[in-house]
Amino acid sequence: AQSVSQHNHHVILSEAASLELGCNYSYGGTVNLFWYVQYPGQHLQLLLKYFSGDPLVKGIKGFEAEFIKSKFSFNLRKPSVQWSDTAEYFCAVISNTGGFKTIFGAGTRLFVKA
Amino acid sequence: EAGVTQSPTHLIKTRGQQATLRCSPISGHTSVYWYQQALGLGLQFLLWYDEGEERNRGNFPPRFSGRQFPNYSSELNVNALELEDSALYLCASSLWGNPSYNEQFFGPGTRLTVL
Repeated sequence: AQSVSQHNHHVILSEAASLELGCNYSYGGTVNLFWYVQYPGQHLQLLLKYFSGDPLVKGIKGFEAEFIKSKFSFNLRKPSVQWSDTAEYFCAVISNTGGFKTIFGAGTRLFVKA
Repeated sequence: EAGVTQSPTHLIKTRGQQATLRCSPISGHTSVYWYQQALGLGLQFLLWYDEGEERNRGNFPPRFSGRQFPNYSSELNVNALELEDSALYLCASSLWGNPSYNEQFFGPGTRLTVL
């Protein structure tokens, strides 16, 4: 079955620490990959996306993600987190073999200590 | 520019009743998506409408249904409510066509509680 796994459900970091959130998917065919973020009290919004080309994509607020096809992974990274990065992060995949359903991971709650 | 709006904000129903949730997309967007976010779970894809047609649906029973109106707003109906239908229902909209390439913009959600 098509699925998206986010390995960490809760992450606690201190400010200036580096962040890496894991995302793995199980799909065949062509995939497009997304990271969405939900800040406290706000709507879900797009952080970054990968369609094709350079597997290292940069998003808003200093976030980046690397698509590693051989590992079916699309991990999110940020070199130095800030208190304002406290949020819930969702990885999502759309596959052309899945009828273009958007499949989300369960989410990772990040808390950054000031 | 107004974002995606959803109504009502909260909805309380009892088992066996029907619930109707509404969504207005961003102006110019023709695709609407519905998701269910149950406690502790990620977003589960429910339905995708584009240009008034249902394009795809997730693994939900037929009592989850919906429609899209000519002005591209959408309605989600849940019949014969069960306790496990209690969740946050999110609506998103995007430009027409292949959702692989178009960013989805999310609304604030409707919190459905089934007693």
